[in-house]
Amino acid sequence: GAVVSQHPSRVICKSGTSVKIECRSLDFQATTMFWYRQFPKQSLMLMATSNEGSKATYEQGVEKDKFLINHASLTLSTLTVTSAHPEDSSFYICSAGASRGYGYTFGSGTRLTVV
Amino acid sequence: DAKTTQPNSMESNEEEPVHLPCNHSTISGTDYIHWYRQLPSQGPEYVIHGLTSNVNNRMASLAIAEDRKSSTLILHRATLRDAAVYYCILDQGGKLIFGQGTELSVKP
Repeated sequence: GAVVSQHPSRVICKSGTSVKIECRSLDFQATTMFWYRQFPKQSLMLMATSNEGSKATYEQGVEKDKFLINHASLTLSTLTVTSAHPEDSSFYICSAGASRGYGYTFGSGTRLTVV
Repeated sequence: DAKTTQPNSMESNEEEPVHLPCNHSTISGTDYIHWYRQLPSQGPEYVIHGLTSNVNNRMASLAIAEDRKSSTLILHRATLRDAAVYYCILDQGGKLIFGQGTELSVKP
C-alpha cells in the first residue's frame, strides 16, 4: 500500500530557531500534500495544502511566513517552522493521496517541542 | 466547510460488532465519506471510504444512508487493537477537515 514517510519523528529546538520537517511519498507521486497540526487531546487541524511546483494554500489564521512550505518534487514536501516559540510545540502530521476518490495516507507525525 | 457529527466516545466488548455513527447533513453530491482512526502519538490510519454505495474491506464496512446525510462504520468483531479515535470526514476536493471523532474503547 501507499506509504508516506515523515521525518524527524521528534525534535526539540531552542526558542528562536527554525525546524524543518520532511514528508515523502515513497511509492506514489503526490501532486498535493497536506499539513496538519494537533495539540494534546484535540483533533487534527489543517494548516495548509502543499502543491507541487506552486505556492502552498494556507488555512485561515495560519501564518504563511512562519510555516514555510516547499513542495519541490512529486514525492517531497517540507514544512519549516521559522523562529519557533514554545506555543508552536505540537504534533505535526502530513498526508498525501494518489488522487481524489482514493484514501489518503498519513505520515507518522513529528512531535515538536520548543524550549 | 461541511462538517460531521460523531459521539464523543463509545464502548464495546471484545469480539462483538461495533457500529460507529456519523452525521453529515450538509454533504455535497461529490463529497466522499472517509473514515480514519488514530492511536496516541501516531498519524491517522485509513480505514475505509465511499461515495454512495456501501463498501466493505478487510478492516471494516461502511454503510451509507440513501440520502447520504449519515453513515455508519461497522467493525464486525472488535479487538483490543481497534481501540482508537475514529474520525468520519468529508473529502471536499482532497481537503479533509477533521471533527472531534469518536474515542472507541474495547473491553476484554
